Amino acid sequence: KAGVTQTPRYLIKTRGQQVTLSCSPISGHRSVSWYQQTPGQGLQFLFEYFSETQRNKGNFPGRFSGRQFSNSRSEMNVSTLELGDSALYLCASSLEGARGNTIYFGEGSWLTVV
Amino acid sequence: AQTVTQSQPEMSVQEAETVTLSCTYDTSESDYYLFWYKQPPSRQMILVIRQEAYKQQNATENRFSVNFQKAAKSFSLKISDSQLGDAAMYFCAYRSAFGGGSEKLVFGKGTKLTVNP
Repeated sequence: KAGVTQTPRYLIKTRGQQVTLSCSPISGHRSVSWYQQTPGQGLQFLFEYFSETQRNKGNFPGRFSGRQFSNSRSEMNVSTLELGDSALYLCASSLEGARGNTIYFGEGSWLTVV
Repeated sequence: AQTVTQSQPEMSVQEAETVTLSCTYDTSESDYYLFWYKQPPSRQMILVIRQEAYKQQNATENRFSVNFQKAAKSFSLKISDSQLGDAAMYFCAYRSAFGGGSEKLVFGKGTKLTVNP
């Protein structure tokens, strides 16, 4: 079956703009998480959604937001982009309910802010 | 808050030899999961192996095995018979078994593994 799909894969934005990234989880998965990966800070948890509800949130400013739709697809939005938002944004999905269930990652969306 | 530390930013190994990557973590919880993820140049995170804290037996997946020392809060990854395809960034990650079902992962900074032919 198809893996976690993230779109777009690459994008360049200007400071002050906003961006929306999309994530389609593996079919049947209802839990979706987002991570930011930068050379300096490494992998940092952004937020997690389950059944259209935000279940957990990382320590990021309010410019970072997300949502999940009824089909489990998720989007994240970053408003008023800053140069420091340049990063690889990874989406992950999992099958809720199983103890220690595997979390699968997408290939990520590369965001460059200029 | 939980933290994960990988003290080796880079490691190298000769093809067919064995290498061990280190990971320590800090938590006050008694039940949790630990993972090793591999991130090749494609950047997709791939699960290598996982360990449940309440299981004393070390996990093994083919050429990959872990040394889980719960008291010492240590979780090292051993790669046997290293292959060129093992070259990648390796991340150690922690996940709480509590937290209302949250599947948040806390990652270490990673270890870049180079495999020399």
